[in-house]
Amino acid sequence: EIVLTQSPATLSLSPGERATLSCRASQSVSSYLAWYQQKPGQAPRLLIYDASNRAIGIPARFSGSGSGTDFTLTISSLGPEDFAVYYCQQRSTWPSFGGGTKVEIK
Amino acid sequence: EVQLVESGGGLVKPGGSLRLSCSVSRFTFNVAWMSWVRQAPGKGLECVGRIKSKTDGGTIDYAAPVKGRFTISRDDSKNTLYLQMNSLKTEDTAVYYCTSIGYGDYYFDNWGQGTLVTVSS
Repeated sequence: EIVLTQSPATLSLSPGERATLSCRASQSVSSYLAWYQQKPGQAPRLLIYDASNRAIGIPARFSGSGSGTDFTLTISSLGPEDFAVYYCQQRSTWPSFGGGTKVEIK
Repeated sequence: EVQLVESGGGLVKPGGSLRLSCSVSRFTFNVAWMSWVRQAPGKGLECVGRIKSKTDGGTIDYAAPVKGRFTISRDDSKNTLYLQMNSLKTEDTAVYYCTSIGYGDYYFDNWGQGTLVTVSS
């Protein structure tokens, strides 16, 4: 089983700031990595697939990078609607998710 | 916009059974690959299983913790996905989401609102 470790667990930022979230895999997942956003009481929403491709309708302020074992999700300028929990997920083997990073208002 | 609506959740005793349904609309269901993903209260996400479309062979795969106990099926005439859960354990307590798969196998691109399954005596 591939374990995904996300850091930090919590990120405290102000609106307009840049957010940088990390996801590290226990072994290489090539570029088979996605990012999801989940708000309280809602289902997750797919943001990024194959490490760096935005899903349809996702704003350009969301970008993904990385390959192999180290990945980053960047939100260039946080909007009020971006405060949420973010999960990474790999599909190189049976899918697994990271533990999440909570982006909270500072 | 694609709509996925789950139903059938509730409280069940350990060892019991439950069947979840997911009604899909505004979507070409018969060619879609579909999945169930669960989230234990306050916890992370776990893929339960995936079913391919019949035209792609209808293959079904399950996560190890549910294999032999859970069964995914689909009725394309009703645009409905099912999850039959038998021999339920307390650790199966979770919100169960129905999802479609897009952009590549095991990427979950559309999600329902979820249905809560509680396994407790």
